[in-house]
Amino acid sequence: ETGVTQSPTHLIKTRGQQVTLRCSSQSGHNTVSWYQQALGQGPQFIFQYYREEENGRGNFPPRFSGLQFPNYSSELNVNALELDDSALYLCASSLARTSSELFFGEGSRLTVL
Amino acid sequence: QKEVEQDPGPLSVPEGAIVSLNCTYSNSAFQYFMWYRQYSRKGPELLMYTYSSGNKEDGRFTAQVDKSSKYISLFIRDSQPSDSATYLCAMRHGSGNTGKLIFGQGTTLQVKP
Repeated sequence: ETGVTQSPTHLIKTRGQQVTLRCSSQSGHNTVSWYQQALGQGPQFIFQYYREEENGRGNFPPRFSGLQFPNYSSELNVNALELDDSALYLCASSLARTSSELFFGEGSRLTVL
Repeated sequence: QKEVEQDPGPLSVPEGAIVSLNCTYSNSAFQYFMWYRQYSRKGPELLMYTYSSGNKEDGRFTAQVDKSSKYISLFIRDSQPSDSATYLCAMRHGSGNTGKLIFGQGTTLQVKP
């Protein structure tokens, strides 16, 4: 059974640029959630995708957007990067959209200079 | 005020000690309570899951939920150096069709041999 994989693991961008982060969900999971984890903080919910539709969104501006593909993999896009966007971005998959058991990837660490 | 409060520590204990980790919350709509463990440079992994009030035990770990006090705890018996990690409490509303989790800040635990 393949777990959740994320790419890239690390990346550095400059303010104003755009970034795309990718996630492959665990086999059999149809729901993907994205979280932002700033240094020393707990993860914060960005949004959830269920069967290719956004199914819930946290308190993040529209420049944070996402996609889910028919194979349930997902992308997180962030436009007009700001310094405060520097964080670990975690993707989590689950068996159902209301599941509390999330399976997290190792994250993509984004640094914005 | 944050919805979920958790002392960030760090907490340092000798091997074999009993560890008590706690979170308080303000939203009475939370019905699902979880503890996730996060090792350095890894994604969180689910340790314990409890619905509503009560206790749950799994090996050396015991989770307690007191909804009347809006207080949850995780106890680790016979702590081991391999338990050194950040422990995140997480909660979810009982209603709705999204699995959005609200995380605490995380408590960093170090178990010294």
